[in-house]
Amino acid sequence: GENVEQHPSTLSVQEGDSAVIKCTYSDSASNYFPWYKQELGKGPQLIIDIRSNVGEKKDQRIAVTLNKTAKHFSLHITETQPEDSAVYFCAANTLMFSGGYNKLIFGAGTRLAVHP
Amino acid sequence: ETGVTQSPTHLIKTRGQQVTLRCSSQSGHNTVSWYQQALGQGPQFIFQYYREEENGRGNFPPRFSGLQFPNYSSELNVNALELDDSALYLCASRLRQNTEAFFGQGTRLTVV
Repeated sequence: GENVEQHPSTLSVQEGDSAVIKCTYSDSASNYFPWYKQELGKGPQLIIDIRSNVGEKKDQRIAVTLNKTAKHFSLHITETQPEDSAVYFCAANTLMFSGGYNKLIFGAGTRLAVHP
Repeated sequence: ETGVTQSPTHLIKTRGQQVTLRCSSQSGHNTVSWYQQALGQGPQFIFQYYREEENGRGNFPPRFSGLQFPNYSSELNVNALELDDSALYLCASRLRQNTEAFFGQGTRLTVV
């Protein structure tokens, strides 16, 4: 079945360093890849996304890359700040042909800690 | 703020009871999905409603059911609660099925 693997599960960096989180998806029909940031006690917040017809997208300090051939996509955060500390989830949007609906399949999450 | 609101924020129920969770979707969004997020895990797809009809379901038993109303708000009902149903339940709304999904803050359900 559909699956999204996410690595690493925990990531600790010093303020100002870069952080990279990687995901691999299994369903070649996946066409949309959002990234979410979840802070303690809150719901997931969409921070950036990329569609399958694009290889890279950047928004200020965050960027996402997609390699469709390898079924890999990654989140890059530069110049990390303590407020970047949270759990980050990748997801892959897949069209379920049997029901004609789209669903998001999430990775297990990466707990990012940015130390001052 | 995403414009997606869920109620209640916290709930404690006893095993065997029934529970109803509510979600008000973002204005104009006709697609609402529900997810279960166990502690330390990613959200798992429960089901999706599009224009008041369930059009997709994940690997959850029939005791998980839902509704979507004409204003696109939605309910998640869980019957015969089990201890393993303890989780954060998230509602997400989308303008269309293949567009950005915006989540509410979730309902933390504890089954004792």
